[in-house]
This record gives sequence, C-alpha cells and structure tokens, in this order.
Amino acid sequence: AQSVAQPEDQVNVAEGNPLTVKCTYSVSGNPYLFWYVQYPNRGLQFLLKYITGDNLVKGSYGFEAEFNKSQTSFHLKKPSALVSDSALYFCAVRDTNTGRRALTFGSGTRLQVQP
Amino acid sequence: GAVVSQHPSRVICKSGTSVKIECRSLDFQATTMFWYRQFPKQSLMLMATSNEGSKATYEQGVEKDKFLINHASLTLSTLTVTSAHPEDSSFYICSARVYGTSGGRNTGELFFGEGSRLTVL
Repeated sequence: AQSVAQPEDQVNVAEGNPLTVKCTYSVSGNPYLFWYVQYPNRGLQFLLKYITGDNLVKGSYGFEAEFNKSQTSFHLKKPSALVSDSALYFCAVRDTNTGRRALTFGSGTRLQVQP
Repeated sequence: GAVVSQHPSRVICKSGTSVKIECRSLDFQATTMFWYRQFPKQSLMLMATSNEGSKATYEQGVEKDKFLINHASLTLSTLTVTSAHPEDSSFYICSARVYGTSGGRNTGELFFGEGSRLTVL
C-alpha cells in the first residue's frame, strides 16, 4: 500500500530565510509525487510534481522539491520565504505499480512565516 | 491551470435532510473525478472515485448508500449526502485529473475544487 509521511505538524521560519517542508513516501513501484498548498477554507492548489527525469523539480511561486530515491523523500523547499507562503502544505503520492488512480496524501504541514 | 468548480461552498442543513454537492470541470473533460473528505486539521481522505457513465468506486468504510455519487457527464460529478447527521459535518473536496501522458501512463496532476463545508445541525 502507498503511504506518505510528513513528520512535522508545523514549520516556523522567518521571512527571507530558506524553508524546507519534509515528506517521505512508501510505494511498491515507482512513485509519482506531488505537492499541494491549501489556504483556509479553500481547496488545494497544485505546486509541483515529480514523474520522471530530473530529480530537482521546480514549481509555482518559487517552490522546488528534490526527489531522493534512496531516502524515499521528496522535500519541498524555497530559498526565501514570504509571509504569504503561510499555509497548509500536503505531499501526495501515486504508486505506478498499482491500478490506483487516486492520490494518497500526507497529514499536512502548517507553514508559518514570521515577518 | 485547469479549473474545477465546486458548489455550494457552504451549506447548513437540518439532520435527516439530503444535500447535493456539485463538482464541475470548467475547461476540460474529466472521465474520472475523486471525492475527498477533510476533517478539521487533518489530511484528505479519499471517499470514492467517480467514473463517468459507470458506478463509483468507494473506499473501504465509506457507505455507498449514504454518499451517493453520480457522474453523468464528462464535466459534472455530484455527491449527495443522504439523511445527513451531525457526524457528516465536514469539508468535502472534489478533484479531477487533467489527462497527460508519459510513456503511456496518465501522469496528470489533480486539480481541486474550492471545497464545500457541510454543517449538519
């Protein structure tokens, strides 16, 4: 079964500092990996995805993530955080080895950027 | 990106009534849509996969008679919460997949509606 772990409930960072939101996954085959952001009482917005190819994926709003197969991780990063980045971030995985088309989501990490 | 519209965004109903939530893909066709449920401060839990023109596939533990899903067209899926009770109060989010391929596999990311907050009194 596919699963995703986001070990941090909350990440606090000062504006202008780099940020990292951690994600590890477990699948039986090759993973498709995704990051989404959610603002209060809103749906999820797609940030970026890893399917194949370059391990470093660049996405929306200056975010990027690095796929690390040996560590089964897909951490989200941004060189310089903005207060407006404060939101709830979800990592998600799809196992290509199964017929399952839906994504499995991590528990979410709340990012708080202090001015 | 692709747009998924969900309606209503908020609904309050009395216990025992039924509520219908619509999910529309506005600028693309979606043969498959997914319905998720999100409890406060928790992650999204997949309820069911909605397939255009056929029956929905429900996740284990989700009552198909309670959460009726209809996907009558390539742009519309509906979720009806029947005989709603306070424990059904939640944030319901639909999503649809934009078709994209890599090596013959569908790699498209999911696009999500804005969610519908259901409160059952």
